[in-house]
Amino acid sequence: EVKLVESGGGLVQPGRSLKLSCAASGFNFNDYWMGWVRQAPGKGLEWIGEINKDSSTINYTPSLKDKFTISRDNAQNTLYLQMSKLGSEDTAIYYCARGLRDWGQGVMVTVSS
Amino acid sequence: DIQMTQSPSSLPASLGDRVTITCRASQDIGNYLRWFQQKPGKSPRLMIYGATNLANGVPSRFSGSRSGSDYSLTINSLESEDMAIYYCLQHNEYPFTFGSGTKLEIK
Repeated sequence: EVKLVESGGGLVQPGRSLKLSCAASGFNFNDYWMGWVRQAPGKGLEWIGEINKDSSTINYTPSLKDKFTISRDNAQNTLYLQMSKLGSEDTAIYYCARGLRDWGQGVMVTVSS
Repeated sequence: DIQMTQSPSSLPASLGDRVTITCRASQDIGNYLRWFQQKPGKSPRLMIYGATNLANGVPSRFSGSRSGSDYSLTINSLESEDMAIYYCLQHNEYPFTFGSGTKLEIK
């Protein structure tokens, strides 16, 4: 069974950084592109970006490219999202996804003072 | 960026109805179109991939189609468990973009 479990969310002050993790199990992590999608409260889905199998290719939505960094550790079967210069507009549920097919349960990030 | 114009934003319907949700792509995306279902408090669930292919475990009352730059999700004989928000996603070109969502609710 494919399992994706996000962690690392919580309350963070504006301007600070936060790193989310997504622990994968139930499949060969090395064989899949992985990505992040977020959803602000009461809003629609926003694609953040994705990373290929060996981290040689990473694509982002342009508005987040300078703030967010996607990485992965294939030895640890873990996907990461490093977020910097956070603002209130970054308050959202953050989902990791395997190939935009299977999704984690999401982790809430709240940016507030 | 490719814009995905999704309509309607809200769709009241009765159980047993046949309903259709549409996304129009601002540029050619081929068949790189997916449909997701999201219920309150839950993660999105893949329903359709490649514009017309049913994902694993999805009931056969769901179907996807394409006519030019218009992509549609049709649900035949609506059931109560189908009440949710539906999103389309184009993944032909970066950045990938979602439609704005359609809330399917009981009339």
